Amino acid sequence: GAVVSQHPSRVICKSGTSVKIECRSLDFQATTMFWYRQFPKQSLMLMATSNEGSKATYEQGVEKDKFLINHASLTLSTLTVTSAHPEDSSFYICSAKDRGARNSPLHFGNGTRLTVT
Amino acid sequence: QKEVEQNSGPLSVPEGAIASLNCTYSDRGSQSFFWYRQYSGKSPELIMFIYSNGDKEDGRFTAQLNKASQYVSLLIRDSQPSDSATYLCAVKRPGGYNKLIFGAGTRLAVHP
Repeated sequence: GAVVSQHPSRVICKSGTSVKIECRSLDFQATTMFWYRQFPKQSLMLMATSNEGSKATYEQGVEKDKFLINHASLTLSTLTVTSAHPEDSSFYICSAKDRGARNSPLHFGNGTRLTVT
Repeated sequence: QKEVEQNSGPLSVPEGAIASLNCTYSDRGSQSFFWYRQYSGKSPELIMFIYSNGDKEDGRFTAQLNKASQYVSLLIRDSQPSDSATYLCAVKRPGGYNKLIFGAGTRLAVHP
């Protein structure tokens, strides 16, 4: 089945530093990938839609200058959390849709747990 | 009003019983509906999706959709302790890009 690989699975960083999270579709091409964030005991909140070859579209309330998204190829999207603060500590999950499968659902990566100290 | 609403639970059922999970959505134009299961600390995994009114069965799981009432449900028959997890209802937002909007999830506890 379709696999989405997300790396790293866990990262701890100091306040003020930047962290990059990678999301790869391993056996399919994805023109669109989605980035979600999940705080403890809450649901997944859509942050942005990553579009291959163009700018990402951000949901209301998500700072595009803080959460930089790059979708450089049909199999890779990256999310960079810039100048991270403790309140950015969360579980970040990417998902992707196989562009070759019309009605296929989204496939999720295993998530990245970010802890900012 | 939230786009997707679920009762947070916990819903507690005995082993072997039927668990019924409910979800309502606000956008009448929504066409695609998904149920995901999420274990603590893990990413969601897809259980079922449904596009048409009525029932869709897959093993112990049955998804039910009523677009007129803007309601989708998931039934789990013969519930097992391993089914204990948070069940997330997701609705594809109308328009392009396949954006999925998630409900807050219902925590299910199946006790032996």
